[in-house]
Amino acid sequence: SAVISQKPSRDICQRGTSLTIQCQVDSQVTMMFWYRQQPGQSLTLIATANQGSEATYESGFVIDKFPISRPNLTFSTLTVSNMSPEDSSIYLCSTGQGGTGELFFGEGSRLTVL
Amino acid sequence: KQEVTQIPAALSVPEGENLVLNCSFTDSAIYNLQWFRQDPGKGLTSLLLIQSSQREQTSGRLNASLDKSSGRSTLYIAASQPGDSATYLCAVPHSGGYQKVTFGTGTKLQVIP
Repeated sequence: SAVISQKPSRDICQRGTSLTIQCQVDSQVTMMFWYRQQPGQSLTLIATANQGSEATYESGFVIDKFPISRPNLTFSTLTVSNMSPEDSSIYLCSTGQGGTGELFFGEGSRLTVL
Repeated sequence: KQEVTQIPAALSVPEGENLVLNCSFTDSAIYNLQWFRQDPGKGLTSLLLIQSSQREQTSGRLNASLDKSSGRSTLYIAASQPGDSATYLCAVPHSGGYQKVTFGTGTKLQVIP
């Protein structure tokens, strides 16, 4: 199994600012995933981050709003740019285990935008 | 496009009761199905993973079944405890892959002491 650490665990931000969330995995992984969970909702995939290439974004999500970095096989960051109250959500980092396809998640980063 | 639905949306039971949570998916060509637990404001904890070739998986008081032909999975929780109170989510891979998944709508479980 993979152990995933996310920072920050929670933050309160002002409208118009940007925040970068960090995700660290305890082993080298090919793909990392970023999800958003809006209040009272299920999880929605934002993008897939592969090391050495640009992230692949899902419909409705764009790089200008959610830039992602993947500098090595154990680390990724997601930035939420020019935040508005609608960005208040839990953001979760995930990766999968090759072969079985089992997914593992970080503890999430809870963002509140005022 | 894979769509995943969970019924019921919320469930409240007295401690000790056995219960069943349901997950339905529209595309039966899946690689696996995974059940998660989420405590309020927290991340997801993997409970059970069922491969497409399997019919069920068990872990302690939890048993998950998979019927691909009907597009259904159930999570059975035996002898429920207050500590089981959480939201339970099922996740099914997108077509053509197994790591990008679609999550169900979730079932919020409350076990009353």
